[in-house]
Amino acid sequence: DAKTTQPPSMDCAEGRAANLPCNHSTISGNEYVYWYRQIHSQGPQYIIHGLKNNETNEMASLIITEDRKSSTLILPHATLRDTAVYYCIVSSWRSGGGADGLTFGKGTHLIIQP
Amino acid sequence: EAQVTQNPRYLITVTGKKLTVTCSQNMNHEYMSWYRQDPGLGLRQIYYSMNVEVTDKGDVPEGYKVSRKEKRNFPLILESPSPNQTSLYFCASSPYGLDEQYFGPGTRLTVT
Repeated sequence: DAKTTQPPSMDCAEGRAANLPCNHSTISGNEYVYWYRQIHSQGPQYIIHGLKNNETNEMASLIITEDRKSSTLILPHATLRDTAVYYCIVSSWRSGGGADGLTFGKGTHLIIQP
Repeated sequence: EAQVTQNPRYLITVTGKKLTVTCSQNMNHEYMSWYRQDPGLGLRQIYYSMNVEVTDKGDVPEGYKVSRKEKRNFPLILESPSPNQTSLYFCASSPYGLDEQYFGPGTRLTVT
């Protein structure tokens, strides 16, 4: 079963903030929320991750709701180069040790319009 | 430059002919992993390694082998490839596993 739900596609105007939602209603207390993106068939690129607090780095901001059942990735000033598939992933350590693999679902295809 | 490299980038082979896809990272990362990507299925983890000589199965390990004899290298071995292993393969590394993962450029494999 998918741990996350994302809209299949979204459009955003260049220069505007892109807000990408993700539902993870079954997230457990030790699971982190990760965001990656993939441009065409290149290797996925890490964007940001968090556990419960909001996080910000040079690429984006991650807002996690207080109940942790959903989150939003914000690209503050989208450019044409931000057109990509964005993946929201929840992950934690495997019970037997070792990090749980990142399970990439279908993600959201974000298209930045000029 | 910090990077993950994979070779070859493209490979067409025939059923049953053993092949190895190499993966190397120059960041002294402990954790390395292999994924395959198929249309409609997303990326799925094949094997991962927490450190030298420590490997474990991911979600789709059948038909694959790995080894981790050195920290920087994590080759993926297909002993007897079959057409259902036609896919886009990615190697990734990270300092400890639950943090930022760096992905290689991918290897597109076709098995006829």
